[in-house]
Amino acid sequence: NAGVTQTPKFRVLKTGQSMTLLCAQDMNHEYMYWYRQDPGMGLRLIHYSVGEGTTAKGEVPDGYNVSRLKKQNFLLGLESAAPSQTSVYFCASSGQGGANVLTFGAGSRLTVL
Amino acid sequence: SQQGEEDPQALSIQEGENATMNCSYKTSINNLQWYRQNSGRGLVHLILIRSNEREKHSGRLRVTLDTSKKSSSLLITASRAADTASYFCATDGGATNKLIFGTGTLLAVQP
Repeated sequence: NAGVTQTPKFRVLKTGQSMTLLCAQDMNHEYMYWYRQDPGMGLRLIHYSVGEGTTAKGEVPDGYNVSRLKKQNFLLGLESAAPSQTSVYFCASSGQGGANVLTFGAGSRLTVL
Repeated sequence: SQQGEEDPQALSIQEGENATMNCSYKTSINNLQWYRQNSGRGLVHLILIRSNEREKHSGRLRVTLDTSKKSSSLLITASRAADTASYFCATDGGATNKLIFGTGTLLAVQP
């Protein structure tokens, strides 16, 4: 049972390039989340989804897009990467909403030059 | 803005001592959770306390919640070097579909 898997684990981009981070969960969870973690800032919620085909904005959604075409997958896209998006990105899922426990992936470290 | 803030930002203790971390939050909540993050890894859930609970235990962990002060504390008793990690509180802000995390406390347990 893999839990939450994020790919890729590391990526270096040049300013203006685009990329997609993939999150896959095998627990049949309804809710999925993308967070970013920066030194001294803790985790900040970018976007989340309460079910297949739904997405919603979190605290820091600008510069990111997401899609939840399949229940098990949640994609985070950067259309035109900026140095300010250099961060560690974490995906998480839960069977219910915030009242339930989140299961996190191992993280994806993105560097934008 | 973030819902929770932990205090202290960093804590260094000796093995065997107790470690206490505090979390303050801003709005009403349904529940509050604590998570642990080892360096370079994802977060792992430790314990959940509901708004109508005042104290909860899990092994060497003890969590308290004071909704009138909008604060919580996490106590780790008889700490071990393996407890070295960052600890985060997370609240639901009264909603049921997302968690907002605090800034974390970095705990270092010296052997």
